[in-house]
Amino acid sequence: SQTIHQWPATLVQPVGSPLSLECTVEGTSNPNLYWYRQAAGRGLQLLFYSVGIGQISSEVPQNLSASRPQDRQFILSSKKLLLSDSGFYLCAWRGLAIEQYFGPGTRLTVT
Amino acid sequence: RKEVEQDPGPFNVPEGATVAFNCTYSNSASQSFFWYRQDCRKEPKLLMSVYSSGNEDGRFTAQLNRASQYISLLIRDSKLSDSATYLCVVTPGDSWGKLQFGAGTQVVVTP
Repeated sequence: SQTIHQWPATLVQPVGSPLSLECTVEGTSNPNLYWYRQAAGRGLQLLFYSVGIGQISSEVPQNLSASRPQDRQFILSSKKLLLSDSGFYLCAWRGLAIEQYFGPGTRLTVT
Repeated sequence: RKEVEQDPGPFNVPEGATVAFNCTYSNSASQSFFWYRQDCRKEPKLLMSVYSSGNEDGRFTAQLNRASQYISLLIRDSKLSDSATYLCVVTPGDSWGKLQFGAGTQVVVTP
């Protein structure tokens, strides 16, 4: 069966520091992968999606970037965090019928 | 206008009662529809897909009204464990499998 991992689970980072969040998927090959952010009390905002290795599409202009160095690995990065980057970051993979399955998420607080 | 709109609630429901709520979507080309459940500080989890003819999964019934562009979720015999935020999700119809999420409807089941 497919599983999706994210780490770290929680993170507190100062403004201006770099960020790297990792997502890995097991049990499936060449999945569509997605990064979302959920701000407190808000809906999910799609940040990036990837249909294959090295293929990244950005949905929202911001100081974040994403990479997919391996088939089942998706990384979200930033060179310098802003206060507004705080939120709950979720990675997801696409199932057979277009539904998506989410990892446990990373709760990021920028101080 | 938001692409997917939901009444944020909360819907306070006595245990054993029935609760129903809707979600409206703006893109008439949307092809797929889902309800997700999100517990506090957790990732969203797929509750059920919504089919054109309506579908039922145990105590949960989902309906789709394409003419009026809304979907609904009904929960019968509410349990305390049904307390959660329910996210309405639609696809814009593109080939990348992107999903559009509503901000959610909070349901609180009380003893």
